Amino acid sequence: DAGVIQSPRHEVTEMGQEVTLRCKPISGHDYLFWYRQTMMRGLELLIYFNNNVPIDDSGMPEDRFSAKMPNASFSTLKIQPSEPRDSAVYFCASSNLRGNEQFFGPGTRLTVL
Amino acid sequence: EDQVTQSPEALRLQEGESSSLNCSYTVSGLRGLFWYRQDPGKGPEFLFTLYSAGEEKEKERLKATLTKKESFLHITAPKPEDSATYLCAVQARYGGSQGNLIFGKGTKLSVKP
Repeated sequence: DAGVIQSPRHEVTEMGQEVTLRCKPISGHDYLFWYRQTMMRGLELLIYFNNNVPIDDSGMPEDRFSAKMPNASFSTLKIQPSEPRDSAVYFCASSNLRGNEQFFGPGTRLTVL
Repeated sequence: EDQVTQSPEALRLQEGESSSLNCSYTVSGLRGLFWYRQDPGKGPEFLFTLYSAGEEKEKERLKATLTKKESFLHITAPKPEDSATYLCAVQARYGGSQGNLIFGKGTKLSVKP
C-alpha cells in the first residue's frame, strides 16, 4: 500500500482565496482524521470521520473550515476564505480501528499571504 | 482537561550517549499512550502504543515505559539517524475528547557523530 496520500504538498495562496486540501486514506481503513500542526499549538485534531460520516468536528476552528468525505477513498478539507493565521501544515491520517495507531500522510504546507 | 507535556523541548546528544525523553500527562482515564517519530517535512510515524502502567515496549535502540502519570522514551547508544522530533499522544477513555489523540509539542532530538 502506498500509505496515506495528500495533495498538494505545498500551497501558497493569498488572503481571501479558497483552499482545498485532498486526502486518500489507506485502503480498508474506516477512520480518517484531519490535523493541523503549528509551532505554537503543536498537532491538533480538526475533525474525524468514521465510514465516511463526520463524527467529531469540535476542533474545526471556524465556519470558514469545512470537510467532506464523499467516499471511502477520498476526503477534502476546505478553507474559504483563507486568512494568514491559517498558515500551517495540515495532515491527514487514517486507522482501521478507533483505538489503534493512526497512519499519517506527508502533509500539506499551507502559506496564506 | 486532558493534557500532555513533553520535556525537554530539545536534546542534543553525542553518538552513543544514552538518554531519556519524558512525557507527562493528565487524562480522564487512559485508554492508550502513543509515541511517534517525525522527521522534517514528513508526517508522524508510529512507534509504540502503551496501555497500562508498568508496560514496556522496545524497538531497536528505543524503549518506551509507562507509569500512571508519565511515559519515558529511552534511547540507548543513539546514532545520527535517530535524530528527529519525538511526539507523545494520549487517548482518553472518558470526557469530551474521549478516543481522540491529544499530542504533546514534542522533543527535538539531535544526535551528533
